[in-house]
Amino acid sequence: KAGVTQTPRYLIKTRGQQVTLSCSPISGHRSVSWYQQTPGQGLQFLFEYFSETQRNKGNFPGRFSGRQFSNSRSEMNVSTLELGDSALYLCASGHRAGASYEQYFGPGTRLTVT
Amino acid sequence: AQSVTQLGSHVSVSEGALVLLRCNYSSSVPPYLFWYVQYPNQGLQLLLKYTTGATLVKGINGFEAEFKKSETSFHLTKPSAHMSDAAEYFCAVSGKSDNNDMRFGAGTRLTVKP
Repeated sequence: KAGVTQTPRYLIKTRGQQVTLSCSPISGHRSVSWYQQTPGQGLQFLFEYFSETQRNKGNFPGRFSGRQFSNSRSEMNVSTLELGDSALYLCASGHRAGASYEQYFGPGTRLTVT
Repeated sequence: AQSVTQLGSHVSVSEGALVLLRCNYSSSVPPYLFWYVQYPNQGLQLLLKYTTGATLVKGINGFEAEFKKSETSFHLTKPSAHMSDAAEYFCAVSGKSDNNDMRFGAGTRLTVKP
């Protein structure tokens, strides 16, 4: 099976702009989660989508939003970018394997805000 | 709710030496435990997981971890470090929720000296 793909891999934006990141999960996986990773804060959970519905959300401002399409592909949007939004954004494709929930990560999108 | 604590944000070993990365968990339900590895500018890759059954779990690249309920620990070991093991390692715990309830530790950066 193909792995999790994320596009673009690198992005440079200016403060105040908005950005959209894309994630295609592993075929058959209906859960997609997004994480923000920074040196200072580590790995932080943004939100999870399952069957086009957000079913779990982390503690991020409303500028961070997402959606999931019927083919399970997901997009994440950040509006009014701030310098502090510079980070590696990771998408994870999840499924329940037996009793446990497992996640498989994409390579990430490196966002730089100048 | 679950949480994990990784002891030591940086660990340095010599090539050929034992690798020991420490992880302690807290969980109100029987936990599912995971170790992930992240190489520079890449996503997280699943190394190994514990769900039920045998408490000594073997993963990829010669790594293994032992679930010790009495010590609430899930330490990662490798008998002989290789230069290619240099990376960041994350311990994670999840419960029985249908949602993504996986919680990650802060990570341990492993350096391997020649």
